[in-house]
Amino acid sequence: KNEVEQSPQNLTAQEGEFITINCSYSVGISALHWLQQHPGGGIVSLFMLSSGKKKHGRLIATINIQEKHSSLHITASHPRDSAVYICAVSGTYKYIFGTGTRLKVLA
Amino acid sequence: NAGVTQTPKFRVLKTGQSMTLLCAQDMNHEYMYWYRQDPGMGLRLIHYSVGEGTTAKGEVPDGYNVSRLKKQNFLLGLESAAPSQTSVYFCASSYYRGVETQYFGPGTRLLVL
Repeated sequence: KNEVEQSPQNLTAQEGEFITINCSYSVGISALHWLQQHPGGGIVSLFMLSSGKKKHGRLIATINIQEKHSSLHITASHPRDSAVYICAVSGTYKYIFGTGTRLKVLA
Repeated sequence: NAGVTQTPKFRVLKTGQSMTLLCAQDMNHEYMYWYRQDPGMGLRLIHYSVGEGTTAKGEVPDGYNVSRLKKQNFLLGLESAAPSQTSVYFCASSYYRGVETQYFGPGTRLLVL
C-alpha cells in the first residue's frame, strides 16, 4: 500500500465547477504539500500545510492531522486549471509523493 | 533569478553509454534532490545532498552517482545507461530541511534505447 494515496486518479470537469481532490497518508509528517504539474512538465508548489486551511485565489487546501487526510479544492474551475495535482508529505529531509490526480477542465 | 535549471532538456542514449545531468540553483539553497518520474508512479528520490560536499542515497539510487562539489550545482551521473533508466528526471532544491518548500527544475527527459 502506498504511503500517500490520492483520489480520484483522473477527473474531468466543466468550466465553473467546484472540484475536490483528496489525499490520505499513513506516515507521520511534518508538513503536507500540494504541487501542480502542467502539461509542459514543470512542477510548482501550491501549498504547504501543517494544520488547518490555506487559501490562494481560487484554490483552498485543508488538512486534518488526526484523520491523516487533506483536500485540495478549486472553486470556479477554468480550463487553465487543467494539470496534474500532486500531494506530497514531508518529514525530516525528504518528500513522499502521491501518484497525482490528472484534472481536465472543459470549456 | 533563474531558480532551478537543468541541462540537458532531452537526451537519447544507447544502452551502456554514460552521461551527466546538471542541476544548478541560484537561491543559495542548502538541500538539493534528484528525482525520477515514471508513468503511474509518484516522484521517487534517487539521491540528495544536505550541503556542499555531501551526498546521500534516496530510495532508488542503484545505477546512479551524484556529486555536489559546489553549493549551487548537483550532478547526476549514469555510468552505464540501461533501458530501465528511461524516465523524466527532476532536480529540486530547498533552503533547509525537507519540510521546507521545494523548488523544482523543468525536468530532463531521458530515453535509453
